[in-house]
Formats: sequence, C-alpha cells, structure tokens
Amino acid sequence: DSGVTQTPKHLITATGQRVTLRCSPRSGDLSVYWYQQSLDQGLQFLIQYYNGEERAKGNILERFSAQQFPDLHSELNLSSLELGDSALYFCASSAAARSYNEQFFGPGTRLTVL
Amino acid sequence: QQQVKQSPQSLIVQKGGIPIINCAYENTAFDYFPWYQQFPGKGPALLIAIRPDVSEKKEGRFTISFNKSAKQFSLHIMDSQPGDSATYFCAASIRAGSNYQLIWGAGTKLIIKP
Repeated sequence: DSGVTQTPKHLITATGQRVTLRCSPRSGDLSVYWYQQSLDQGLQFLIQYYNGEERAKGNILERFSAQQFPDLHSELNLSSLELGDSALYFCASSAAARSYNEQFFGPGTRLTVL
Repeated sequence: QQQVKQSPQSLIVQKGGIPIINCAYENTAFDYFPWYQQFPGKGPALLIAIRPDVSEKKEGRFTISFNKSAKQFSLHIMDSQPGDSATYFCAASIRAGSNYQLIWGAGTKLIIKP
C-alpha cells in the first residue's frame, strides 16, 4: 500500500458526459501528479500540482482540468468524454518537487466510456 | 532532448534467465534515474534508482548498470522468477525551473516463463 488513495476504483459512463476523479496523497506529500495509461500503453503525464499550485503540464487535453485543494487532495475533471478517453488514470504523490523525487502511485481509477 | 528511449517493448525469458532492459537519453542534465515496476491492474512502484555518479547499483536480484559516457542505463534481473512478470518503466529526473520532473520511458512488458 503506497498510502495514496484514489476514488472511485471503476467508473463507467457515456460519451459526452463529465466525471471527476479524486486523489488523496500520502500524508505530508505536497506534490500530486496525474497520469493516463491506455490499454498496454505507457504512462502519459497529464499535470502536476504542488501545494495547491499548478507546476507542470504534460499532454493534457483542454477537455481535462485538475485542481489541488488546501487539504492537498486533488481532483481530475474530464468532460465531453470520448471513447478514446477510456483508460486507467493514476495519481501519484511525492514529498516535494525536488530532485530524487520518488513518486508513490495510487491504485488507479479505471474509466470506461461507452 | 527530453526523451528517454526504452527497449525492448516486450521481452519473454525463461525462469532463471537474466532479462535486460535498456534505456538511453540525450540530455546530460538528467540527474536521477529510477526504475518502476508495474503489475497488472496496479500502479507503478519504485524498484531501484541510481545517480549518474555511480556505475552500478544492486538491490537483491535487481541491478542497474549506468554508462554515463554512452548516456545509457539498463536493468538486469538475476535468477528471474515468474513473479517478476510485470511492466518495467525507466525514467530520468530533470530540473525545470524550481521544479523537478520525471521523464518516462515507454515501458517494457516482461514475461518470465516457468
């Protein structure tokens, strides 16, 4: 158990809908990362937050947005969903955005768009 | 160039064999090279990591070999077991302003046959 929690574990929805994925980082970790992993694909970095502020953006679509709240939990919002958005979405946290930053991954949310 | 090239994409090895996964990079500013292990349906987890001032690091049956001049590093798994079957990701850390980011390889799906 990494100490990172993600809810829900599974999500099934229809095209055009909007969903919110939630992540609670490890206690004390200030940095949160979101990743997308499609079937048998690599990890696509989406976005990073550090202590409530956006720190880095990866290949995140304009239909997707995220935020980190004062209690450090984070939410990833996916809107106007398309079939191709079906994937595993991982949240990871690290102590700080410094070098040698081990990222601890949550169990993921499996999103299925029908 | 902020890329990490990982090969092979997939690898099948008999139990007891020594699978080798290779990664290469161009940017000499990378300063930390971790390997993550991901089992099906789980989030990745840090397996072993190395800094560029070290040529080799061993942890149990897992060894990283690092060749700074060639800008390559590799993961070796000694006496491989079916339980080592997983996807392995190499990564490299780089400073971007006040932030440090991990650049990920594409992953290698390893199967150890009994």
